[in-house]
Amino acid sequence: EAGVAQSPRYKIIEKRQSVAFWCNPISGHATLYWYQQILGQGPKLLIQFQNNGVVDDSQLPKDRFSAERLKGVDSTLKIQPAKLEDSAVYLCASSPLRGAGETQYFGPGTRLLVL
Amino acid sequence: AQSVTQLDSQVPVFEEAPVELRCNYSSSVSVYLFWYVQYPNQGLQLLLKYLSGSTLVESINGFEAEFNKSQTSFHLRKPSVHISDTAEYFCAVSLQGAQKLVFGQGTRLTINP
Repeated sequence: EAGVAQSPRYKIIEKRQSVAFWCNPISGHATLYWYQQILGQGPKLLIQFQNNGVVDDSQLPKDRFSAERLKGVDSTLKIQPAKLEDSAVYLCASSPLRGAGETQYFGPGTRLLVL
Repeated sequence: AQSVTQLDSQVPVFEEAPVELRCNYSSSVSVYLFWYVQYPNQGLQLLLKYLSGSTLVESINGFEAEFNKSQTSFHLRKPSVHISDTAEYFCAVSLQGAQKLVFGQGTRLTINP
């Protein structure tokens, strides 16, 4: 079974530029998550999708971050414009069922550096 | 809102020594508890989880964790570590009935030969 795929793996941009990350979850997984992991901290949930609907985006900075999952499969996360404090690893995860306690499967992450 | 505290940011131990990674959580309602591990240059993966039943849960590679409701803790232990256990370990909690995970800040376990 293929795992969660993410691209790019690394990205360096200047502040005020825009950037997009892509995630393809494990086939058949209905739930998809985007996390932000700042150096020295644990992952923080940005947004959770159930199929193509948003379940939780309470911690997404909506003035600059946006995410979509148009066909209930892959997803993109965009930052526009980027700030220095957005430097982090962006993790995508998926889980098979909408149920508490389900294991989340993580991709390798995209490491973003904003200069 | 729930929160997770991992009391040690780094834990160095010698190979074959026992180890305990501490995790405390705060929540006013019942929770599920998880330990995820991140090996060097790899993504996060589940190590073990507590949902219900026996308060002692085990992983396939010799780790175990015990849910202690009165102390709101879920410490991770292994009686004898190996070089291959070198990784960062994250404790996480979710509310029963919700999928959202709240992570601690992580503990970096380094094994010295």
